Amino acid sequence: DTGVSQDPRHKITKRGQNVTFRCDPISEHNRLYWYRQTLGQGPEFLTYFQNEAQLEKSRLLSDRFSAERPKGSFSTLEIQRTEQGDSAMYLCASSYRASDGYTFGSGTRLTVV
Amino acid sequence: GENVEQHPSTLSVQEGDSAVIKCTYSDSASNYFPWYKQELGKRPQLIIDIRSNVGEKKDQRIAVTLNKTAKHFSLHITETQPEDSAVYFCAATEGGGADGLTFGKGTHLIIQP
Repeated sequence: DTGVSQDPRHKITKRGQNVTFRCDPISEHNRLYWYRQTLGQGPEFLTYFQNEAQLEKSRLLSDRFSAERPKGSFSTLEIQRTEQGDSAMYLCASSYRASDGYTFGSGTRLTVV
Repeated sequence: GENVEQHPSTLSVQEGDSAVIKCTYSDSASNYFPWYKQELGKRPQLIIDIRSNVGEKKDQRIAVTLNKTAKHFSLHITETQPEDSAVYFCAATEGGGADGLTFGKGTHLIIQP
Protein backbone atom coordinates (compact mmCIF):
# COMPACT_ATOMS: atom_id res chain seq x y z
CA ASP A 1 0.00 0.00 0.00
CA THR A 2 1.86 3.01 -1.26
CA GLY A 3 -0.73 5.71 -0.74
CA VAL A 4 -4.12 6.95 -1.84
CA SER A 5 -5.07 5.75 -5.32
CA GLN A 6 -7.56 7.43 -7.61
CA ASP A 7 -8.97 6.19 -10.86
CA PRO A 8 -9.13 7.35 -13.58
CA ARG A 9 -6.42 10.01 -13.69
CA HIS A 10 -8.17 11.84 -16.48
CA LYS A 11 -11.75 11.82 -17.70
CA ILE A 12 -13.18 13.69 -20.66
CA THR A 13 -16.93 13.55 -20.95
CA LYS A 14 -19.66 15.24 -22.89
CA ARG A 15 -22.00 17.60 -21.11
CA GLY A 16 -25.00 15.75 -19.72
CA GLN A 17 -23.21 12.45 -19.19
CA ASN A 18 -22.74 10.81 -15.80
CA VAL A 19 -19.26 10.13 -14.46
CA THR A 20 -17.97 8.08 -11.53
CA PHE A 21 -14.58 8.31 -9.88
CA ARG A 22 -13.00 5.82 -7.52
CA CYS A 23 -10.72 6.35 -4.53
CA ASP A 24 -8.79 3.69 -2.62
CA PRO A 25 -7.48 5.13 0.67
CA ILE A 26 -4.50 3.95 2.68
CA SER A 27 -5.72 0.67 4.16
CA GLU A 28 -5.53 1.56 7.85
CA HIS A 29 -7.16 4.97 7.36
CA ASN A 30 -10.82 4.99 8.33
CA ARG A 31 -11.43 8.60 7.34
CA LEU A 32 -11.90 9.48 3.67
CA TYR A 33 -12.48 12.92 2.17
CA TRP A 34 -13.39 14.27 -1.25
CA TYR A 35 -12.26 17.69 -2.42
CA ARG A 36 -12.55 19.64 -5.65
CA GLN A 37 -9.76 21.90 -6.88
CA THR A 38 -10.09 24.39 -9.70
CA LEU A 39 -7.19 26.19 -11.34
CA GLY A 40 -5.50 28.68 -9.07
CA GLN A 41 -7.58 27.78 -6.03
CA GLY A 42 -7.13 25.70 -2.92
CA PRO A 43 -8.98 22.41 -2.55
CA GLU A 44 -12.67 22.79 -1.66
CA PHE A 45 -14.18 20.30 0.79
CA LEU A 46 -17.07 18.23 -0.59
CA THR A 47 -17.79 15.32 1.74
CA TYR A 48 -16.34 13.02 4.39
CA PHE A 49 -16.69 9.40 5.51
CA GLN A 50 -15.74 7.75 8.73
CA ASN A 51 -15.69 4.08 7.84
CA GLU A 52 -18.85 3.58 5.79
CA ALA A 53 -20.78 6.44 7.41
CA GLN A 54 -21.04 9.67 5.43
CA LEU A 55 -20.82 12.25 8.20
CA GLU A 56 -20.88 15.39 6.12
CA LYS A 57 -22.51 15.90 2.76
CA SER A 58 -23.97 19.37 2.94
CA ARG A 59 -20.96 20.72 1.07
CA LEU A 60 -21.63 18.66 -2.01
CA LEU A 61 -22.04 21.21 -4.74
CA SER A 62 -25.50 20.17 -5.88
CA ASP A 63 -27.83 17.20 -5.82
CA ARG A 64 -26.07 15.99 -8.96
CA PHE A 65 -23.14 15.01 -6.76
CA SER A 66 -23.21 11.90 -4.60
CA ALA A 67 -20.63 9.74 -2.87
CA GLU A 68 -20.58 6.27 -1.38
CA ARG A 69 -18.26 4.13 0.67
CA PRO A 70 -20.25 0.92 0.94
CA LYS A 71 -17.85 -1.28 2.87
CA GLY A 72 -15.74 1.34 4.54
CA SER A 73 -12.85 0.80 2.15
CA PHE A 74 -12.89 2.39 -1.31
CA SER A 75 -15.21 5.25 -2.17
CA THR A 76 -16.88 6.50 -5.33
CA LEU A 77 -17.91 10.01 -6.29
CA GLU A 78 -20.59 10.31 -8.95
CA ILE A 79 -21.59 13.40 -10.88
CA GLN A 80 -24.81 13.14 -12.83
CA ARG A 81 -25.74 15.26 -15.85
CA THR A 82 -22.31 16.88 -15.97
CA GLU A 83 -21.97 20.57 -16.77
CA GLN A 84 -18.97 22.49 -18.07
CA GLY A 85 -18.59 24.10 -14.65
CA ASP A 86 -17.88 20.68 -13.19
CA SER A 87 -14.51 20.64 -14.97
CA ALA A 88 -11.92 20.47 -12.19
CA MET A 89 -9.51 18.20 -10.36
CA TYR A 90 -11.29 15.90 -7.91
CA LEU A 91 -9.04 14.93 -5.04
CA CYS A 92 -9.49 12.18 -2.50
CA ALA A 93 -7.68 12.13 0.82
CA SER A 94 -7.55 9.84 3.81
CA SER A 95 -6.41 10.01 7.41
CA TYR A 96 -6.18 7.71 10.40
CA ARG A 97 -7.53 10.00 13.09
CA ALA A 98 -9.43 13.24 13.29
CA SER A 99 -7.05 16.15 12.89
CA ASP A 100 -4.32 13.99 11.44
CA GLY A 101 -2.68 15.30 8.33
CA TYR A 102 -4.34 14.04 5.21
CA THR A 103 -2.67 12.02 2.51
CA PHE A 104 -4.03 13.12 -0.84
CA GLY A 105 -4.34 11.04 -3.96
CA SER A 106 -3.14 12.28 -7.33
CA GLY A 107 -6.66 13.24 -8.29
CA THR A 108 -8.98 12.73 -11.23
CA ARG A 109 -8.98 15.58 -13.72
CA LEU A 110 -12.44 15.96 -15.21
CA THR A 111 -12.99 17.87 -18.44
CA VAL A 112 -16.58 18.40 -19.56
CA VAL A 113 -16.88 19.34 -23.23
CA GLY B 1 -18.24 28.46 8.58
CA GLU B 2 -14.49 28.85 8.56
CA ASN B 3 -12.82 31.41 6.28
CA VAL B 4 -9.06 31.29 5.64
CA GLU B 5 -7.22 34.19 4.04
CA GLN B 6 -3.67 33.70 2.71
CA HIS B 7 -1.04 36.27 1.71
CA PRO B 8 0.79 36.93 -0.47
CA SER B 9 -0.57 35.23 -3.57
CA THR B 10 2.89 35.27 -5.15
CA LEU B 11 6.25 35.47 -3.40
CA SER B 12 9.60 35.68 -5.16
CA VAL B 13 12.78 35.34 -3.11
CA GLN B 14 16.45 34.87 -3.89
CA GLU B 15 17.86 31.41 -3.33
CA GLY B 16 19.20 31.18 0.19
CA ASP B 17 16.88 33.87 1.57
CA SER B 18 13.90 33.23 3.85
CA ALA B 19 10.25 33.14 2.83
CA VAL B 20 7.24 33.85 5.03
CA ILE B 21 3.62 33.10 4.14
CA LYS B 22 0.81 34.31 6.38
CA CYS B 23 -2.74 33.09 6.95
CA THR B 24 -5.65 34.26 9.05
CA TYR B 25 -8.71 32.28 10.05
CA SER B 26 -12.13 33.27 11.29
CA ASP B 27 -13.41 30.39 13.47
CA SER B 28 -12.01 30.55 16.98
CA ALA B 29 -12.95 26.87 17.42
CA SER B 30 -10.37 25.83 14.81
CA ASN B 31 -7.60 23.86 16.43
CA TYR B 32 -5.63 22.21 13.63
CA PHE B 33 -3.58 24.08 11.03
CA PRO B 34 -1.70 22.15 8.34
CA TRP B 35 0.39 23.45 5.47
CA TYR B 36 0.52 21.74 2.08
CA LYS B 37 2.97 22.05 -0.80
CA GLN B 38 1.70 21.43 -4.31
CA GLU B 39 4.01 21.22 -7.28
CA LEU B 40 2.59 21.75 -10.75
CA GLY B 41 0.35 18.85 -11.75
CA LYS B 42 0.93 16.95 -8.52
CA ARG B 43 -1.01 16.19 -5.35
CA PRO B 44 -0.91 18.47 -2.30
CA GLN B 45 1.60 17.11 0.21
CA LEU B 46 1.58 17.84 3.91
CA ILE B 47 4.80 19.56 4.94
CA ILE B 48 4.09 20.64 8.50
CA ASP B 49 1.13 21.10 10.83
CA ILE B 50 0.42 22.67 14.21
CA ARG B 51 -2.26 22.22 16.81
CA SER B 52 -3.75 24.96 18.90
CA ASN B 53 -2.02 23.93 22.11
CA VAL B 54 1.36 24.73 20.54
CA GLY B 55 2.70 28.14 19.53
CA GLU B 56 5.53 27.07 17.25
CA LYS B 57 6.78 23.96 15.51
CA LYS B 58 9.95 23.45 13.50
CA ASP B 59 11.14 20.76 11.10
CA GLN B 60 14.57 21.43 9.63
CA ARG B 61 14.22 24.51 7.36
CA ILE B 62 10.47 24.81 7.85
CA ALA B 63 8.67 26.31 10.83
CA VAL B 64 5.10 27.28 11.60
CA THR B 65 3.93 29.77 14.21
CA LEU B 66 0.42 30.17 15.58
CA ASN B 67 -1.13 33.14 17.35
CA LYS B 68 -4.55 32.01 18.60
CA THR B 69 -5.46 35.39 20.02
CA ALA B 70 -4.96 37.11 16.69
CA LYS B 71 -6.16 34.05 14.76
CA HIS B 72 -3.24 33.92 12.42
CA PHE B 73 -0.51 31.44 11.58
CA SER B 74 2.57 31.65 9.40
CA LEU B 75 4.91 29.38 7.46
CA HIS B 76 8.62 30.20 7.54
CA ILE B 77 11.10 28.62 5.14
CA THR B 78 14.77 29.39 5.70
CA GLU B 79 17.71 28.93 3.34
CA THR B 80 15.38 28.53 0.38
CA GLN B 81 16.37 26.18 -2.42
CA PRO B 82 15.13 25.81 -6.02
CA GLU B 83 13.11 22.73 -5.06
CA ASP B 84 11.07 24.87 -2.67
CA SER B 85 9.40 26.48 -5.70
CA ALA B 86 5.73 25.42 -5.58
CA VAL B 87 2.30 26.56 -4.46
CA TYR B 88 1.81 26.47 -0.70
CA PHE B 89 -1.62 26.20 0.92
CA CYS B 90 -2.56 26.82 4.51
CA ALA B 91 -5.68 25.24 5.98
CA ALA B 92 -7.70 25.14 9.18
CA THR B 93 -10.28 22.89 10.77
CA GLU B 94 -12.13 22.39 14.02
CA GLY B 95 -10.49 19.02 14.17
CA GLY B 96 -13.36 16.62 14.30
CA GLY B 97 -12.79 15.95 10.65
CA ALA B 98 -16.44 16.15 9.78
CA ASP B 99 -16.14 19.74 8.66
CA GLY B 100 -13.14 19.06 6.51
CA LEU B 101 -10.25 21.42 5.98
CA THR B 102 -10.82 24.96 4.76
CA PHE B 103 -7.93 25.97 2.52
CA GLY B 104 -6.47 29.34 1.68
CA LYS B 105 -6.13 30.30 -1.98
CA GLY B 106 -2.45 29.48 -2.08
CA THR B 107 0.90 31.25 -2.41
CA HIS B 108 3.04 30.68 -5.48
CA LEU B 109 6.60 30.68 -4.14
CA ILE B 110 9.29 31.37 -6.73
CA ILE B 111 12.93 30.83 -5.81
CA GLN B 112 15.18 32.98 -7.99
CA PRO B 113 18.66 31.49 -8.66
